[in-house]
Amino acid sequence: DAKTTQPPSMDCAEGRAANLPCNHSTISGNEYVYWYRQIHSQGPQYIIHGLKNNETNEMASLIITEDRKSSTLILPHATLRDTAVYYCIVSDPTDSWGKLQFGAGTQVVVTP
Amino acid sequence: ETGVTQTPRHLVMGMTNKKSLKCEQHLGHNAMYWYKQSAKKPLELMFVYNFKEQTENNSVPSRFSPECPNSSHLFLHLHTLQPEDSALYLCASSRTTGMGGYTFGSGTRLTVV
Repeated sequence: DAKTTQPPSMDCAEGRAANLPCNHSTISGNEYVYWYRQIHSQGPQYIIHGLKNNETNEMASLIITEDRKSSTLILPHATLRDTAVYYCIVSDPTDSWGKLQFGAGTQVVVTP
Repeated sequence: ETGVTQTPRHLVMGMTNKKSLKCEQHLGHNAMYWYKQSAKKPLELMFVYNFKEQTENNSVPSRFSPECPNSSHLFLHLHTLQPEDSALYLCASSRTTGMGGYTFGSGTRLTVV
């Protein structure tokens, strides 16, 4: 059962910021928002996660709305190597060891 | 190199063969996972191990048999597979609490002929 909704695809120009939306209107209080990406034929790569506050690391920023029903992953300066499927996942790390259930994700294509 | 190593990278096997997939991590993680990714489908969780104990079997057919001899190694034994079992098989690991994300291997591309 999908707990998140993402657009199936997005295009982004190289060097511009990519803003990837995710809806998770049924998120519960203990569930974190995780973002992963999968470059073609490779294993998924962890990007970032958060609970309530906005988060930033060397790869991306995560903006979570105050009601926690949606979030946005921001890639500040997209490069061609950022072309991948991006997955937004909600998971409770205290429940069954926080196993991750992947959906279809958003196919992001960065163009020159 | 992610710290999770899967071998072999590619495997072609007949329906009557027996083969094994191997996963190894030295990240100090105590939880390990098998996922299956079929063409144009989302990743499907197959098995979960925590401290060598299987905590989840996601209704996987018995022709897939996992083994976790220690927290660093995970195997997936395969026998009498079907062509529809052809897929990318991914191993992942995480710390016991599940915080901070999973680390995935590069996967084994399995083709059943």
